[in-house]
Amino acid sequence: KAGVTQTPRYLIKTRGQQVTLSCSPISGHRSVSWYQQTPGQGLQFLFEYFSETQRNKGNFPGRFSGRQFSNSRSEMNVSTLELGDSALYLCASSLAAGIGLAGANVLTFGAGSRLTVL
Amino acid sequence: AQKITQTQPGMFVQEKEAVTLDCTYDTSDPSYGLFWYKQPSSGEMIFLIYQGSYDQQNATEGRYSLNFQKARKSANLVISASQLGDSAMYFCAMREGSTNAGKSTFGDGTTLTVKP
Repeated sequence: KAGVTQTPRYLIKTRGQQVTLSCSPISGHRSVSWYQQTPGQGLQFLFEYFSETQRNKGNFPGRFSGRQFSNSRSEMNVSTLELGDSALYLCASSLAAGIGLAGANVLTFGAGSRLTVL
Repeated sequence: AQKITQTQPGMFVQEKEAVTLDCTYDTSDPSYGLFWYKQPSSGEMIFLIYQGSYDQQNATEGRYSLNFQKARKSANLVISASQLGDSAMYFCAMREGSTNAGKSTFGDGTTLTVKP
């Protein structure tokens, strides 16, 4: 069973550029969520998509956006990059059938996309 | 608002001994799930154990057990018989059932170092 695949794994951008990160969830998982991980801020929730609909969004500026396709694959985009956007971006998928079903809400993470903004 | 607090930035344990990693949470939602994840130096997050707010018994998964004290809003992870491979960052997380759909909130993590 293939895991969560994130591409690219590493990338370097300069301030002002934009970047698109991709995430392919586990087959059958309809929920995809994104997290930003930095040494100073820890793991911060960006947004979550379920069946192509954004259900929740974290406290990030509008430069951060995402979408989910009909095959559950998801992309996130960061426009006008700033130095502070340097981070490990983690994607996670789950069945997300409801909190009562433990296994359905377990997050399976990808290896992450490490973004460096110069 | 949901919040997770891990007060131990770093912990040391001798190989083969047990260790407890602390986690307290705050939520007004009666339905929620608590999770522990492990992040080795390689970076990939690995699920360890889950506890539901309505579960009567503490969860166990092999060497991992969760000491769930609902009244105190704590969900401590106990690792028995520590191994060198347990050295990693450990995150406590919460997911609310009826609000904040799809959102998991993570604590700041605890770095565990197992000494030989």
